[in-house]
Amino acid sequence: AQTVTQSQPEMSVQEAETVTLSCTYDTSESDYYLFWYKQPPSRQMILVIRQEAYKQQNATENRFSVNFQKAAKSFSLKISDSQLGDAAMYFCAYRSAGGGADGLTFGKGTHLIIQP
Amino acid sequence: EAGVAQSPRYKIIEKRQSVAFWCNPISGHATLYWYQQILGQGPKLLIQFQNNGVVDDSQLPKDRFSAERLKGVDSTLKIQPAKLEDSAVYLCASSPSIYEQYFGPGTRLTVT
Repeated sequence: AQTVTQSQPEMSVQEAETVTLSCTYDTSESDYYLFWYKQPPSRQMILVIRQEAYKQQNATENRFSVNFQKAAKSFSLKISDSQLGDAAMYFCAYRSAGGGADGLTFGKGTHLIIQP
Repeated sequence: EAGVAQSPRYKIIEKRQSVAFWCNPISGHATLYWYQQILGQGPKLLIQFQNNGVVDDSQLPKDRFSAERLKGVDSTLKIQPAKLEDSAVYLCASSPSIYEQYFGPGTRLTVT
């Protein structure tokens, strides 16, 4: 079974600064997908960024980028120019690419606080 | 495009009572998931449907939880009888492909 670990229960950053959220995972599969989801107090889970394991290039979406280290099984999220609207719980998630059962396995989350 | 709809948004019941949650996925999404999110934790998959067939229910406590997806569209998740530890947010998600799951707003269940 796959596991996802987020070792930072809470992170705080000044507005406009850069913050990095950590995630490690454990799997015996070679093909999979990794995701970062944002969950504001409204509870709606929103996809931030996705990375395919077969791609060496790190994914980027505007101010959000990842550092994907497949050999180390590490998948960190960097948020540049932090904004007040970025404050939320952030979850790292794993999804098998093997077809069939492909529900997400989530970490415990990191609570991101943005200081104005 | 309408998102994933869930109802009710909140529910409070006493232990040993039964409760049901409803989910309407995004139109055309063949795959539907139910997750349980206990306070302070990440969501945990309960069950996955592909159309109206079950793909994965390995983490569903089948002695008290049941789910169905009639006609491959709407889905209901039922708990009978509820226990205190079932207090959680129940999230429904649907997916058109392997790349992304779209989540509903969730139902917050409190069991007293």
